[in-house]
Amino acid sequence: DAGVTQSPTHLIKTRGQQVTLRCSPKSGHDTVSWYQQALGQGPQFIFQYYEEEERQRGNFPDRFSGHQFPNYSSELNVNALLLGDSALYLCASSLAQRGQETQYFGPGTRLLVL
Amino acid sequence: DAKTTQPPSMDCAEGRAANLPCNHSTISGNEYVYWYRQIHSQGPQYIIHGLKNNETNEMASLIITEDRKSSTLILPHATLRDTAVYYCIVRSPSPAGGTSYGKLTFGQGTILTVHP
Repeated sequence: DAGVTQSPTHLIKTRGQQVTLRCSPKSGHDTVSWYQQALGQGPQFIFQYYEEEERQRGNFPDRFSGHQFPNYSSELNVNALLLGDSALYLCASSLAQRGQETQYFGPGTRLLVL
Repeated sequence: DAKTTQPPSMDCAEGRAANLPCNHSTISGNEYVYWYRQIHSQGPQYIIHGLKNNETNEMASLIITEDRKSSTLILPHATLRDTAVYYCIVRSPSPAGGTSYGKLTFGQGTILTVHP
C-alpha cells in the first residue's frame, strides 16, 4: 500500500519564478493538506482540499494556490517566488470522516529560491 | 485549537523508556491530543492520538491525565532510531457530515536524543 508521495524531491528556482509541487494521497484517502516548514520551525498549515475545493486556509498570501483533481491528487502552486519561500513543503492526506481523521505526511519537497 | 507546551529537549538512554510530557491546560472537552514525530528532513510521522482514555499501539503509549490538562507519550524501549522532534498537537474534532478540519497546529516540539 503506497503512502503519500510527492514530487519533485528537490527544486531550485530563482526569485520571481513560479513553481508547481505535486502530491498523491495515500490509497483510500480523499483529503489533501499542504504545509510549509521553514528551517528550524514546525510545519505551518497552508490549505486543505476536499472534494476538489479549498476547505480551509492558513495565513498565506494569494501567491499560494492549489488544486485537487478527481483522483484526489493535488498540486500546490506558488507564484512570484520570494527568497523566504525557501522551505520544505509537506503534503498530508486523510480520509474525511465525522469525528477525527488522521493525517499522514509525505516526504516533502525541498524548495530553494535563489 | 488549544495551545500546547513541551520541553525543548530531552535525552534518553537506549533501551530505556522515553517519557515525553505535554501540557495543554486550555484543552476543550471534545479536543483530541495527537502526537507526531519528525526525523531530520523527513515528513512528520503519525504516532498516536487520544481523547481521554489511555491509548497504546505498536509504536507508543499515550497517557492523558484525568483532567486532560496534560499528557505523556511513552516510548517503552527507546532506540537510536527514535531520535527525532516530537510534536504534541491538540485538535478540534471534525463536524458532523464527514468534512474535516485540516489544520494541524505544530509548535516547536521536543527534540528527543537517544544515547547509546
